[in-house]
Amino acid sequence: IQMTQSPSSLSASVGDRVTITCRATEPLITYLNWYQQKPGKAPKLLIYGASILQSGVPSRFSGSGSGTDFTLIINSLQPEDSATYFCQQSYSAPWTFGQGTKVEIK
Amino acid sequence: QVQLQESGPGLVKPSETLSLTCSVSGDSVSSDFWNWIRQPAGKGLEWIGRMYASGSIDYNPSLKSRVTMSIDTSKNQFYLKLRSVTAADTAVYYCARADNWNDAFFDYWGQGTLVTVSS
Repeated sequence: IQMTQSPSSLSASVGDRVTITCRATEPLITYLNWYQQKPGKAPKLLIYGASILQSGVPSRFSGSGSGTDFTLIINSLQPEDSATYFCQQSYSAPWTFGQGTKVEIK
Repeated sequence: QVQLQESGPGLVKPSETLSLTCSVSGDSVSSDFWNWIRQPAGKGLEWIGRMYASGSIDYNPSLKSRVTMSIDTSKNQFYLKLRSVTAADTAVYYCARADNWNDAFFDYWGQGTLVTVSS
């Protein structure tokens, strides 16, 4: 299953609402997960099951979608949200990831 | 709290075997599902394979012919071997835990170890 994210990068201001999309080549139901990765660090699980917030993740992060189209939203972007975000499908092995969306702060 | 730590040579010669260890604390490798994932510099993530202590193992078909994963419950460690490496195998290698065999998402990761393939 191929995963495609858009955009590849974006620049937004603190306080902005940011939307990242992820599209799969096959329906995933809601077996879609989101990760945040900062430079030199391992990815961190943000959302699983398309919309379930991992424990400890700020509530400004939210996920939605089903089937082939999914969205990660960051409400009120914060400086610490500068990172690359990846989606990952967990519907069918081999598990696959999107190519990433780099979020920069203006 | 669950912690994973990768270890192994940072430099491997072409055609040789890459060998990595993941040491786990705060959890038992006899439970949960253990994965290897890699990331070439500036690129995306590639899942390598998964295993369960019962003996269930599954590899990414793209690497299956060259990969072996194993586990040592007495040491609370699991391992990756990748044979016949080339420069394309140069990457940061992560070990990661999943709660499920199916619907696998990775809730704990090691910090990653850079492996460079070069003569």
